[in-house]
Amino acid sequence: KAGVTQTPRYLIKTRGQQVTLSCSPISGHRSVSWYQQTPGQGLQFLFEYFSETQRNKGNFPGRFSGRQFSNSRSEMNVSTLELGDSALYLCASSAPTGGAETQYFGPGTRLLVL
Amino acid sequence: AQSVTQLDSQVPVFEEAPVELRCNYSSSVSVYLFWYVQYPNQGLQLLLKYLSGSTLVKGINGFEAEFNKSQTSFHLRKPSVHISDTAEYFCAVSTSGTYKYIFGTGTRLKVLA
Repeated sequence: KAGVTQTPRYLIKTRGQQVTLSCSPISGHRSVSWYQQTPGQGLQFLFEYFSETQRNKGNFPGRFSGRQFSNSRSEMNVSTLELGDSALYLCASSAPTGGAETQYFGPGTRLLVL
Repeated sequence: AQSVTQLDSQVPVFEEAPVELRCNYSSSVSVYLFWYVQYPNQGLQLLLKYLSGSTLVKGINGFEAEFNKSQTSFHLRKPSVHISDTAEYFCAVSTSGTYKYIFGTGTRLKVLA
């Protein structure tokens, strides 16, 4: 099975712009989670989607949003970019097991905000 | 709320020596525990997980971890490391119905020749 894919892999934007990142989960996985990784804050949970519904959300401002499509692909959007949004954004997918859901991560999208 | 503490930010070790990376968690409910490895410029790769059952969990690349409920720990061990094990290792905790992981701050393992 192909793994989780994320596009683009690298992105450079300037402050004030917006950006959309895409994630395609492993085939058959219906849950997609997003994390932000920075040297200062480590790995922080952004949100999780299952069957096009957001089930959980982390402590990020409303500039960070996401959605999931009927084919389980997901996008996250960051509006009005700030320098501090520079990070590696990781997407993970999992198959529902009714309990613990093991998450499988993609390679990430590295965003640099200038 | 859950939290994860990785006590060592960096661990240097000589090749072929054993290593233990420490992870402690805090939770008021039953947890699921995971170890992931991250190589430079890559995503996270699952090493092993504890969901239930045997407290000694074996993973890929010769790693194993032991779940200790009384000490709320889930330390990662390898009896003999290789240069290729140089990477950052993350411990994570999850609970049923939360749909998210809480990660530790990571431990950089540096294997020396």
